[in-house]
Amino acid sequence: AQSVTQLDSQVPVFEEAPVELRCNYSSSVSVYLFWYVQYPNQGLQLLLKYLSGSTLVKGINGFEAEFNKSQTSFHLRKPSVHISDTAEYFCALRRSNQGGKLIFGQGTELSVKP
Amino acid sequence: GAGVSQTPSNKVTEKGKYVELRCDPISGHTALYWYRQSLGQGPEFLIYFQGTGAADDSGLPNDRFFAVRPEGSVSTLKIQRTERGDSAVYLCASSVRGGSETQYFGPGTRLLVL
Repeated sequence: AQSVTQLDSQVPVFEEAPVELRCNYSSSVSVYLFWYVQYPNQGLQLLLKYLSGSTLVKGINGFEAEFNKSQTSFHLRKPSVHISDTAEYFCALRRSNQGGKLIFGQGTELSVKP
Repeated sequence: GAGVSQTPSNKVTEKGKYVELRCDPISGHTALYWYRQSLGQGPEFLIYFQGTGAADDSGLPNDRFFAVRPEGSVSTLKIQRTERGDSAVYLCASSVRGGSETQYFGPGTRLLVL
């Protein structure tokens, strides 16, 4: 079975500060990894994804994530956050050899303060 | 172009009643997914359609839950004899095909069972 653990339920940070949202996963098979963002009263939006190749993945809105197979982690980072980045962030995985379901973590609420 | 749409956006019902939730995927997307998101949790997979057939219904919690996609486009999630524990946001997503890496999510239907 696969699982995703987001280590922080809430992350408060000041505007223009760097941020890291942590994600660890567990799987005995090869997986794809994703980060989604959910703004208030909106649907989930894909930020970035790791399928294969370079372990550093760049996404929208200046976010990036690094796949670390030995530590089974896929942490999300941004060097300087804006007020508009305030949202819920979800890490997710999917088996690479199987279409279909995403398995999500419980989410991290990022709160950017002025 | 139009994204995934879901109706109604909110549904309030009484315990024991029957409800139907509708999802209109992005035009041309052959794969459709239903997830359930309880308060403070990440989305939880329910069922995945490839075309008209359910490719994976392993996430349906019990036989009160049923979903159809008769023409391979619009899908309806049906819940019989609703219980208070069914209260959640029901999310629908679609992708070009089942093996596609990117799922596009709708805004969700918020179901409240009194």
